[in-house]
Amino acid sequence: ELKVEQNPLFLSMQEGKNYTIYCNYSTTSDRLYWYRQDPGKSLESLFVLLSNGAVKQEGRLMASLDTKARLSTLHITAAVHDLSATYFCVVNRDDKIIFGKGTRLHILP
Amino acid sequence: DVKVTQSSRYLVKRTGEKVFLECVQDMDHENMFWYRQDPGLGLRLIYFSYDVKMKEKGDIPEGYSVSREKKERFSLILESASTNQTSMYLCASSPPRGSGNTIYFGEGSWLTVV
Repeated sequence: ELKVEQNPLFLSMQEGKNYTIYCNYSTTSDRLYWYRQDPGKSLESLFVLLSNGAVKQEGRLMASLDTKARLSTLHITAAVHDLSATYFCVVNRDDKIIFGKGTRLHILP
Repeated sequence: DVKVTQSSRYLVKRTGEKVFLECVQDMDHENMFWYRQDPGLGLRLIYFSYDVKMKEKGDIPEGYSVSREKKERFSLILESASTNQTSMYLCASSPPRGSGNTIYFGEGSWLTVV
């Protein structure tokens, strides 16, 4: 059974700090995604990671994938208040899409 | 601009009512999904479909059924709504494995059962 675990589930941090969200998954997967969700909104695609060693960056966010360790990270650099949201790790295997529980990120001004 | 449209954004239904949640995508995707999102539980897969008239149970199918008569439309049905089905329901679609990258989500349907 494919399981996706994120940690931490809640993170409160100061603006300007760096932090990493971790995503572990239990079996091999075809691809891994990171999504952002603002309160009352749908999910916005951030990154799609397809292969071992993949690294993608957009602004202050950088995602990486280690398929051997079954681990993906989402790194936040010099956080700003606008990044406050819930971030989901999503794993796709055999066309079945499984979500982590999400990391609720609260950035204090 | 790609779109997954959930026709009902906010619904209030009575216990025992039959409820239909409709989802339409305009990207000719084979795969479609229904999730529910609850505080502290994240998003949980109810059902998914990888082709017309095909469906597979997700993690929490009890109390739900689905219909996929046309490729673009995937309906979630609550045969007899109960208060524990009060939740936010999210529809998604994706192309099949190997032919595309991104999963697309609808805006969500907030259902309250009283």
